[in-house]
Amino acid sequence: KAGVTQTPRYLIKTRGQQVTLSCSPISGHRSVSWYQQTPGQGLQFLFEYFSETQRNKGNFPGRFSGRQFSNSRSEMNVSTLELGDSALYLCASRPRQDYEQYFGPGTRLTVT
Amino acid sequence: EDQVTQSPEALRLQEGESSSLNCSYTVSGLRGLFWYRQDPGKGPEFLFTLYSAGEEKEKERLKATLTKKESFLHITAPKPEDSATYLCAYAGFQKLVFGTGTRLLVSP
Repeated sequence: KAGVTQTPRYLIKTRGQQVTLSCSPISGHRSVSWYQQTPGQGLQFLFEYFSETQRNKGNFPGRFSGRQFSNSRSEMNVSTLELGDSALYLCASRPRQDYEQYFGPGTRLTVT
Repeated sequence: EDQVTQSPEALRLQEGESSSLNCSYTVSGLRGLFWYRQDPGKGPEFLFTLYSAGEEKEKERLKATLTKKESFLHITAPKPEDSATYLCAYAGFQKLVFGTGTRLLVSP
């Protein structure tokens, strides 16, 4: 089975711009979660989607948003980028709740 | 507030020198404790899930155990390729809450 894929792998943006990241979960997995990883804060939960519905949201500003499509693929969007948004953004999928999550390789976002 | 704490932050071992990593948690109603391995610049790789106190799981040189308040990842006779950051996480309500990880370096 193919793993979780994320595109693009690397991205450089300027402050004030917006960015959209994409995630394709493992086939058959209906839950997709997004995390932000930085050296100082570690892995921080952004949100989780299940069957196109946001089930939970972490403590991030409204500039961070996401959605899930009917094929379970997910996108996250960050508007009005700030320097502090530079991070590794990770997507994870699982078949249902209380099961382990499987992570993609991440998208490295650099904001200049 | 639910928390998960990992120790030590960093650990340096010689090849073959066994040791243990600790993950302590304060959470009501644990729904699963997970261990992951992360290599630099890559996504975390799933290792183990533990659900109840007394449970143990093994994979090659790694063994994970769980008590009511903590989990241990035992590394037996490590090799340089075991060098990575090891993360634990507990399953909270609809999300995983991660510790900050233990950076393990195994020297030949």
